[in-house]
Amino acid sequence: GAVVSQHPSWVICKSGTSVKIECRSLDFQATTMFWYRQFPKQSLMLMATSNEGSKATYEQGVEKDKFLINHASLTLSTLTVTSAHPEDSSFYICSARYPGGPNEQFFGPGTRLTVL
Amino acid sequence: AQSVTQPDIHITVSEGASLELRCNYSYGATPYLFWYVQSPGQGLQLLLKYFSGDTLVQGIKGFEAEFKRSQSSFNLRKPSVHWSDAAEYFCAVGPPWNTDKLIFGTGTRLQVFP
Repeated sequence: GAVVSQHPSWVICKSGTSVKIECRSLDFQATTMFWYRQFPKQSLMLMATSNEGSKATYEQGVEKDKFLINHASLTLSTLTVTSAHPEDSSFYICSARYPGGPNEQFFGPGTRLTVL
Repeated sequence: AQSVTQPDIHITVSEGASLELRCNYSYGATPYLFWYVQSPGQGLQLLLKYFSGDTLVQGIKGFEAEFKRSQSSFNLRKPSVHWSDAAEYFCAVGPPWNTDKLIFGTGTRLQVFP
């Protein structure tokens, strides 16, 4: 099946620093990738849609200057949490739109971000 | 409001028992429907999906789901649960007007007792 990787799987950083998370589709090309945020024992909340070669589309309430998304190639999207604060601590999950069917996405294993 | 609902936050079953996880959606038109499973340390894995056609859908790991238009439901079932099925299960819908997005339900945590 289609595989999506994320790196790193977990990261701890100090408040005020920036953190970059990578999302790669390993065996298919993805013109569209998605970034989700998941709080403990809660569902996935879509943060933004990342389109290769164009600007990301952010969901309402998501600060685009805080969460920078770059989709530079058909297999790589990055999420940079800028000037991270403890409230940004969360589980971040990416997915890649699979070209096989509508709405079909394959998910990465997630990145646990802890901001001290 | 358009939404997807999983009424059961937490379900506990004995190993070998049958399982049904509920999912209801509220959209003007029938969306595309998905069930995902999330195990600790692993990404969401697609169990099955419904786009059209036969309303009983077979998935991986022995799961099936039935689409009932009259009830706006897409319940997940398994006849005999294994301890390894313990995980978080998410129902998701793909809005018919946007074939990119997925909207997730709140999830059901399944606990399996030996």
